[in-house]
Amino acid sequence: NAGVTQTPKFRVLKTGQSMTLLCAQDMNHEYMYWYRQDPGMGLRLIHYSVGEGTTAKGEVPDGYNVSRLKKQNFLLGLESAAPSQTSVYFCASSYSGPETQYFGPGTRLLVL
Amino acid sequence: AQSVTQLDSQVPVFEEAPVELRCNYSSSVSVYLFWYVQYPNQGLQLLLKYLSGSTLVKGINGFEAEFNKSQTSFHLRKPSVHISDTAEYFCAVKKGSNTGKLIFGQGTTLQVKP
Repeated sequence: NAGVTQTPKFRVLKTGQSMTLLCAQDMNHEYMYWYRQDPGMGLRLIHYSVGEGTTAKGEVPDGYNVSRLKKQNFLLGLESAAPSQTSVYFCASSYSGPETQYFGPGTRLLVL
Repeated sequence: AQSVTQLDSQVPVFEEAPVELRCNYSSSVSVYLFWYVQYPNQGLQLLLKYLSGSTLVKGINGFEAEFNKSQTSFHLRKPSVHISDTAEYFCAVKKGSNTGKLIFGQGTTLQVKP
């Protein structure tokens, strides 16, 4: 099992550009999450999904969109990147709730 | 709104010494509590969790934590640390309902010195 994988590992964007981050899990988990990690602020939940075809907002959803068309994939989109979105993005998945989340290795995003 | 406060941003300690990383939470309802560890350039791994039952929870790598409801605390302890324990540690809380969300603290960097 690969567990949770994230693509790409690192990306540099210019302000106003768009991109999509891909999270994939091979554990047949129902729940998937996108977090951002910023220094001194811990992890903050952007969006999450409790099953295929469902999504919900987390703490900091503005400027991001998500889609869960397939159970194993959870996509995070930035339509018009801003420097404030410079961060490390983590995806996680779990079987039946957040009690045991498995995290991916992270994507470092720099917006210039 | 519930929150999680990790009282120390950095904790330096010598190898083989004991360590305590402090975590307090605010909630008026039952909670589930977690500690995660993040090694450099990696994702988070679950160290231990409290869902119910015994207030002393044992986790991986020799760590343990004690749930104290009266003090709303969930401090993480290890009696003797190793260089390999150098990492960032996050406390997290989930309300006792199926909201599907964890709230994370700001993180504590444990620096183990030889």
